[in-house]
Amino acid sequence: GAVVSQHPSRVICKSGTSVKIECRSLDFQATTMFWYRQFPKQSLMLMATSNEGSKATYEQGVEKDKFLINHASLTLSTLTVTSAHPEDSSFYICSAGLAGTQNTEAFFGQGTRLTVV
Amino acid sequence: EDQVTQSPEALRLQEGESSSLNCSYTVSGLRGLFWYRQDPGKGPEFLFTLYSAGEEKEKERLKATLTKKESFLHITAPKPEDSATYLCAVQAGAETSGSRLTFGEGTQLTVNP
Repeated sequence: GAVVSQHPSRVICKSGTSVKIECRSLDFQATTMFWYRQFPKQSLMLMATSNEGSKATYEQGVEKDKFLINHASLTLSTLTVTSAHPEDSSFYICSAGLAGTQNTEAFFGQGTRLTVV
Repeated sequence: EDQVTQSPEALRLQEGESSSLNCSYTVSGLRGLFWYRQDPGKGPEFLFTLYSAGEEKEKERLKATLTKKESFLHITAPKPEDSATYLCAVQAGAETSGSRLTFGEGTQLTVNP
């Protein structure tokens, strides 16, 4: 299957600082990437859809000024958590779609565990 | 609004004890139903995609089936290494929505030796 690489896998930052998470599609081009957040023992919640060369589309309730998404190339999308606070501590996961003829399949990165202290 | 409900929330099996996980869904225009396996602290690992009612797919001890309202993930003679959280997700709507998925809450499977 297609490979999606996410970096870093773990990050600890101080409250008020910003953290950047990278998501790369290694062996295919992804015009669309997705960012999810997962709290302990809960399922994945879509935060935003990242489109190459255009502005990201955010889900209701997700602050676009806090979670900055950049999709500058067909293989890289970044999520920056700005002015992080302890409540932003979570598991962030990206996915990229592998386009088919009618349906698409999503492959996920390894996830990033963010801890804000 | 697309809805996905998985049951049970947690399931404990003895090694070799077969069982099934359920995923019920309500969507408008199903394009695909996905099963993933997620280990603690890792991203979801793709298992299957089912596209139409009646479709079945198998991989080792796992078999996924699909009807118009639900999907089952059958686990035959499970082993301890099958312990994980199994996630069901649906993809619906126009193809312009890309790979946007709506996930269920997952079933946490534990297989005891």
